[in-house]
Amino acid sequence: QKEVEQNSGPLSVPEGAIASLNCTYSDRGSQSFFWYRQYSGKSPELIMFIYSNGDKEDGRFTAQLNKASQYVSLLIRDSQPSDSATYLCAVDNFNKFYFGSGTKLNVKP
Amino acid sequence: DTAVSQTPKYLVTQMGNDKSIKCEQNLGHDTMYWYKQDSKKFLKIMFSYNNKELIINETVPNRFSPKSPDKAHLNLHINSLELGDSAVYFCASSPGTGRNSPLHFGNGTRLTVT
Repeated sequence: QKEVEQNSGPLSVPEGAIASLNCTYSDRGSQSFFWYRQYSGKSPELIMFIYSNGDKEDGRFTAQLNKASQYVSLLIRDSQPSDSATYLCAVDNFNKFYFGSGTKLNVKP
Repeated sequence: DTAVSQTPKYLVTQMGNDKSIKCEQNLGHDTMYWYKQDSKKFLKIMFSYNNKELIINETVPNRFSPKSPDKAHLNLHINSLELGDSAVYFCASSPGTGRNSPLHFGNGTRLTVT
């Protein structure tokens, strides 16, 4: 079983819609949870992180964490074509970062 | 003023050769990593060093040898390259332990073994 699971997509949403990206993890001892965005041919860049149950908002992005269900999600409001990328979920367990295989998001104008 | 820089950006070489990738960070971070990203975009941790000491060594062939001369540098040497080593290798750093310690990635080195 993979440590971090994501739906590979592609997830297609129209411009202006809400994109919802999901991630599950297997290790209950995991401490921190990160969302990275990776454009084709580029390196992953940090969007935001969360470590407490509940929601955390940063601009158009909201991360949601449910440790009981071992579930992390990322909501992108007012999606823009420039948001089209692969979104990687990462889970930190004592400085060992495990990544999901990413969800490809396409935002259509 | 690049935060995490790695060289070279592209590396094309033949099977059996030995090659090195260099990484430097100027963020003052204590921990550095090497990750391998395959063609399916899966990022897999290879090694991690904290203040020049090896702390994570995943199941990686011993043809791969990391070296950290100081906490700002982490190099990766690969012996006897194989076709399956073709991938993008990312160096990353983080402040260290604690919850607010995300990874900061370099721009990657695309290794192609022919």
